[in-house]
Amino acid sequence: GDSVTQMEGPVTLSEEAFLTINCTYTATGYPSLFWYVQYPGEGLQLLLKATKADDKGSNKGFEATYRKETTSFHLEKGSVQVSDSAVYFCALSASNQGGKLIFGQGTELSVKP
Amino acid sequence: EAGVVQSPRYKIIEKKQPVAFWCNPISGHNTLYWYLQNLGQGPELLIRYENEEAVDDSQLPKDRFSAERLKGVDSTLKIQPAELGDSAVYLCASSARSGATEAFFGQGTRLTVV
Repeated sequence: GDSVTQMEGPVTLSEEAFLTINCTYTATGYPSLFWYVQYPGEGLQLLLKATKADDKGSNKGFEATYRKETTSFHLEKGSVQVSDSAVYFCALSASNQGGKLIFGQGTELSVKP
Repeated sequence: EAGVVQSPRYKIIEKKQPVAFWCNPISGHNTLYWYLQNLGQGPELLIRYENEEAVDDSQLPKDRFSAERLKGVDSTLKIQPAELGDSAVYLCASSARSGATEAFFGQGTRLTVV
């Protein structure tokens, strides 16, 4: 079945460091891909999305490119801030599943001043 | 505009007791989802509603879990009886329509079964 695998955390970075969180997926067809973020004590929020191959999603300085050839959707940010500390979830939604999201296990990011 | 509202935020119950969670989706959103999030894991779908109809409940443990969405708006998820392994966060989400590319999540209900 469809699945999402993302790099294990926790990831600890210093402020202004470069961030990469790897995400790969397995799916039949052409799913939509998402990154959700969960700040401490809050619900999941959509960070960015891409709905077809080679699309780049971007928001708040984060970006990810839908790579069909490598079945990947890695999250990147050039300069992280302390406020970016959160848990990040990669997810996919298959085209025939009514919006059902399949999530990776989450990657905790901690940014130190 | 209000987001997805869930209550309670936290619930502690003894095993074998019943428990219920409530969700009010964003106004006008026809599709409602309940997800289960175990500690350190990503959420997993329990059930999906289109209006008042449960169209995907294949992952719902029907021996102890039940859900309803009367009138196609609010929804309730119930567990009876609760087991220790049910301790988790229960998330509700809604989207404007089936297959919409963005789902909006509530803050979740954290259940602890002792």
